Amino acid sequence: EAQVTQNPRYLITVTGKKLTVTCSQNMNHEYMSWYRQDPGLGLRQIYYSMNVEVTDKGDVPEGYKVSRKEKRNFPLILESPSPNQTSLYFCASSLSRGSNEQFFGPGTRLTVL
Amino acid sequence: SQQGEEDPQALSIQEGENATMNCSYKTSINNLQWYRQNSGRGLVHLILIRSNEREKHSGRLRVTLDTSKKSSSLLITASRAADTASYFCATDIISTGTASKLTFGTGTRLQVTL
Repeated sequence: EAQVTQNPRYLITVTGKKLTVTCSQNMNHEYMSWYRQDPGLGLRQIYYSMNVEVTDKGDVPEGYKVSRKEKRNFPLILESPSPNQTSLYFCASSLSRGSNEQFFGPGTRLTVL
Repeated sequence: SQQGEEDPQALSIQEGENATMNCSYKTSINNLQWYRQNSGRGLVHLILIRSNEREKHSGRLRVTLDTSKKSSSLLITASRAADTASYFCATDIISTGTASKLTFGTGTRLQVTL
């Protein structure tokens, strides 16, 4: 089944404790991205990747890192999480350009205490 | 403010009625897309309309695009309880280079009651 998976789905952590949210797609998509969703603000892009080893900042990249060593994986790293990073996070992928139809993962609900 | 803004923010209708939601944007676009999100879940792509298209249909969905007014509408006909969800428009903004991204609005929350 074609899908985007994220892990974990739910995470409660404390300020400053490094964490990684994994994202994997099995559709051989070149383009992958991370969004965060907050009430009243819609979805905002954090980082995106056009292909392996090619990543770039989105609208709200501060406090996040990403890597794209393999085509299928695009982990999101929070080196030192803070409470303002409490949010619902979505990974998405698309065939090539970001303007194609995007396929979303199920989301990761992160709470930073 | 957001590139794409949906209106209304919330809409409540009865099953069988039509639901119309609107999206306005600020800058020129390559295309505009509509997505649906069931509570707390990932977004699901519904339809894409390119800047040179004016109307598109998919099942019970009808999307229009007016580039002169920088606006789009999504019509869901004969709504069902299962259509209850949030609906987002996303715009692909014309920019230089090969990189592109979608900019999402804040969504319209649709409630369809029996």
